[in-house]
Formats: sequence, C-alpha cells, structure tokens
Amino acid sequence: SQTIHQWPATLVQPVGSPLSLECTVEGTSNPNLYWYRQAAGRGLQLLFYSVGIGQISSEVPQNLSASRPQDRQFILSSKKLLLSDSGFYLCARGQGAGDEKLFFGSGTQLSVL
Amino acid sequence: SQQGEEDPQALSIQEGENATMNCSYKTSINNLQWYRQNSGRGLVHLILIRSNEREKHSGRLRVTLDTSKKSSSLLITASRAADTASYFCATDTKSSGDKLTFGTGTRLAVRP
Repeated sequence: SQTIHQWPATLVQPVGSPLSLECTVEGTSNPNLYWYRQAAGRGLQLLFYSVGIGQISSEVPQNLSASRPQDRQFILSSKKLLLSDSGFYLCARGQGAGDEKLFFGSGTQLSVL
Repeated sequence: SQQGEEDPQALSIQEGENATMNCSYKTSINNLQWYRQNSGRGLVHLILIRSNEREKHSGRLRVTLDTSKKSSSLLITASRAADTASYFCATDTKSSGDKLTFGTGTRLAVRP
C-alpha cells in the first residue's frame, strides 16, 4: 500500500497565525516525500522535498518550512501565515526503486483570511 | 516556472467522443507523466512515457511524445462522464532527478 494520510482536509486560519499540516505515509521505507502547493485553477508548485529523516530541500523562498521527524512523517509549518499562503497543499511520495511516479494525498485546502 | 503548458486550458465534449490534450515543455526530459485530478482531490498517476518512447497505451488512454517538438499528447477515447477532471503533464529531467515539474492543466468536462 502506498496510502498517504493528509489532514485536515480544509483549514481556515487568520493572518499571522501559525500553521502545521501533517502527512504520514505507508508503504516502503525511506520514501522521497514532497509538499506541493496548487493555486486555484493552476498547476502544482513544488515547495519542499525530502530524501530522508531530517533532510529537507526548499525549492522556493517563502514563509513556510518543512520537517521530517520520522521516516514516514512530513510536516509543513509556518510561524505566521500570510494571505498569499492560501492554496491547496498536497503531500506526495515517490514509490522508490527508481520508479518516478508519485502518489498523492487528498490535500488540504488552506484559506488565510 | 512551469516546465509544461497544457493546451487547451479547458475542453468540453459529449460522452462517447474522444478528448485530446496537449502538453509542451521547455527543456530536455527523462520522462513525461500524465496525472488526473478530480475537483478538490489529490492527483492520480495515469501513465508514464520515457524520452526514448514515442507512444504508449493504457486502456482508453493513448500518450504520444515528440521530443523534437518538446510536446506530448494525451488521448482519451470513448470518453465517459466519469472522465471529467483536470489533467496535468509532469516532467523530470537529468538535473531535477526525481522531482517533477507540473504543467498548468487541462480541465475536461464530459457531458452525459
């Protein structure tokens, strides 16, 4: 199973508040994990990428950070949300073993007001 | 920046018709993939075509790749209302490793 658990499904937060989105994955160990953001009606923008515990690559400068405290846990955080942080956040995992396709979670719709 | 750009942005067809979506990209790729996204949901992988392949089939899906034109097309034959979704192409390159860059997507509506 390559199941990805992502929660919450929707979140409304005031500007300046903190954020913590959690993603846990099942399946093979040491997966590559990804956080993507999707603006309304747009494609996906890669935010963070992790190849292992504690290893995070940031793809774009922004108000967000990511952490991987356990092999199958990937967390997206912010200390103070901005209006521009609104969007649909998707966690994904690589299947591993040289297979390039990604499995996605069901996403979190974040609205910052 | 987006590596892939889908065309058209939106497509509306009658059930039973074929749907063709196109993807153009900018730099040389290793692989190109197509994903489907139902509204408000995560993406689901449909098919992967490698840079040395020209055509691939999976059920009602047919994908072509023209590396000289840096473009790919996704054909859905005999469309069904359940095919209504957004479709995205995604590419990886030698320098990107297994990180994918997604296009902007085509919204397909299949009328019953």
